[in-house]
Amino acid sequence: AQSVAQPEDQVNVAEGNPLTVKCTYSVSGNPYLFWYVQYPNRGLQFLLKYITGDNLVKGSYGFEAEFNKSQTSFHLKKPSALVSDSALYFCAVRDIGDKLTFGTGTQLKVEL
Amino acid sequence: EAGVVQSPRYKIIEKKQPVAFWCNPISGHNTLYWYLQNLGQGPELLIRYENEEAVDDSQLPKDRFSAERLKGVDSTLKIQPAELGDSAVYLCASSPGGERTGELFFGEGSRLTVL
Repeated sequence: AQSVAQPEDQVNVAEGNPLTVKCTYSVSGNPYLFWYVQYPNRGLQFLLKYITGDNLVKGSYGFEAEFNKSQTSFHLKKPSALVSDSALYFCAVRDIGDKLTFGTGTQLKVEL
Repeated sequence: EAGVVQSPRYKIIEKKQPVAFWCNPISGHNTLYWYLQNLGQGPELLIRYENEEAVDDSQLPKDRFSAERLKGVDSTLKIQPAELGDSAVYLCASSPGGERTGELFFGEGSRLTVL
């Protein structure tokens, strides 16, 4: 089965600084990778995905993610963090049967 | 467009009682998912529908959980009887499929507390 791992439970960053939320994957074949965000008491929202093509994928709210095949990583990035970016971020991989398998999540806290 | 609608948002019941959750997906989305999310964890798939057919229910505990998607639109997830360990958030999602496979649109969830 395909899987993703998010090694950090929480990431703290100051507003205006760049942020990185890490994700590594384990798949057989070509990976289909996704990032979702969850704000408090809300459902998950799709941010971006990598299917094929450019290793740098751009998504919603100024986020981007870099696919690195040699390191089996798909880290989420943003050049300048906002307090409003504070939320729970999930990495996911498309598994057998078109289902998504999610990581355990990383809580991002952006402070003034 | 209207999003995925779930109800109820919150439900508190005593163990051994039944409970049901309802989901209305985005119009035109043929794929519907029910996910379970425990506190501090990522969502885990319970069941996936393509139209009215359950194509993946391997993770659904069939001794107490059941689901249906009549007419390929709305869906209901039922637990009977509920156990303490069922306390969690139940998320419904729908997807347009095709080129947008993997882009799931989630509802706000139904938070279940079993006492």
